Amino acid sequence: EVQLVESGGGLVKPGGSLRLSCVGSGFTFNDYNMNWVRQAPGKGLEWVSSISSASSYKYYADSVKGRFTISRDNAKNSLFLQMSSLGAEDSAVYYCAGSAWYFYMGIWGKGTTVTVSS
Amino acid sequence: EIVLTQSPGTLSLSPGERATLSCRTSQSVSSNYLAWYQQKPGQAPRLLIYGSSNRATGIPDRFSGSGSGTDFTLTISRLEPEDCAVYYCQQYSSSPYSFGQGARLEIK
Repeated sequence: EVQLVESGGGLVKPGGSLRLSCVGSGFTFNDYNMNWVRQAPGKGLEWVSSISSASSYKYYADSVKGRFTISRDNAKNSLFLQMSSLGAEDSAVYYCAGSAWYFYMGIWGKGTTVTVSS
Repeated sequence: EIVLTQSPGTLSLSPGERATLSCRTSQSVSSNYLAWYQQKPGQAPRLLIYGSSNRATGIPDRFSGSGSGTDFTLTISRLEPEDCAVYYCQQYSSSPYSFGQGARLEIK
């Protein structure tokens, strides 16, 4: 079964840091570009960051540039998002998504929830 | 940055009718790198269409996409109750790979 499973979400204080992880299975992870997409409560989808299959290219939304870092470990079929200087506006469900070609997203995880609150 | 604007915001139709959802982009999307997703409450999004008009694996042929340049359309023919969802377009032509604000489809 093709699957992405996110973890690492939780409650963090403003200004704090958090590291999200995503593990893929059932497909050739190192052939896929990978992405993070978030959704604040009651809001639409917001693209956060993407990384190419061999980590050659990394892209970020302006809203997270300089605060978030995307990375991957193909040997462990894993994708990461290191988040720092978190604010209330970063509270959302964070989805990990895979792209077989370019950056449309054919595989999605169920998401992990990040809440930034004092 | 390419901004995507979806219309209408909400569409309410009956089973068996046809739904037409629009996505307009602020700049031309090269190579028609435009995708559509369906999201039901409490679920992750699901890819419906990529490359403007290519159905993803397992997507019924009731769903079709069309368009080029700055105007794109998702058409759902013969609506079924399970089509009730929010639909998003996304451009992956250039970073940031932005989404539209979403369009809610209600089935009467």
